[in-house]
Amino acid sequence: GAVVSQHPSWVICKSGTSVKIECRSLDFQATTMFWYRQFPKQSLMLMATSNEGSKATYEQGVEKDKFLINHASLTLSTLTVTSAHPEDSSFYICSARGGLQLAKTQYFGPGTRLTVL
Amino acid sequence: AQSVTQPDIHITVSEGASLELRCNYSYGATPYLFWYVQSPGQGLQLLLKYFSGDTLVQGIKGFEAEFKRSQSSFNLRKPSVHWSDAAEYFCAVGATNFGNEKLTFGTGTRLTIIP
Repeated sequence: GAVVSQHPSWVICKSGTSVKIECRSLDFQATTMFWYRQFPKQSLMLMATSNEGSKATYEQGVEKDKFLINHASLTLSTLTVTSAHPEDSSFYICSARGGLQLAKTQYFGPGTRLTVL
Repeated sequence: AQSVTQPDIHITVSEGASLELRCNYSYGATPYLFWYVQSPGQGLQLLLKYFSGDTLVQGIKGFEAEFKRSQSSFNLRKPSVHWSDAAEYFCAVGATNFGNEKLTFGTGTRLTIIP
């Protein structure tokens, strides 16, 4: 149980284009989803927290107009990297937290490797 | 604000030997504590967690961890490692006050297994 998927697993795009990454909780309802960024050989950096049906809360230093997050349902959150540039290349990981027994634990997706040319 | 320290950046262990990965946290109350494992190019898999109660917790893949309040530690152990345990290990602390459910991660410990 508590499986989280991400799509795509990797994406290559040209500079200036936008890329959408999906995060889905497959077998539970995710009241809260989190988006992280991870640079090579480094830890995870929290970008934003999203609750279903409300606006995301962004961490300090994260551009909310560049990293658009939508949490339209209890099983789906999307991260859109707008006007991507090479410095946005990174490994993006989402996590989801459900209600009741799952409320205290974040379950992570497999990650999405973004490369901007 | 909470913080996590993983003092060992890289550990090398022989297959079959015992393992202990260190984790120290800073938090004003009893925290929620987690260990996650990450294989290259993959997401994070939950190994075990501590919320309350018995301070020795058992996890998947034969791992266990012990919460020691007096030392602010939550070290991960395994009696006999397997080559498949080679990965990056992250300790994380979660706040227990409602409305602040973020996880704070340590910098990770990379585990290498030698034959």
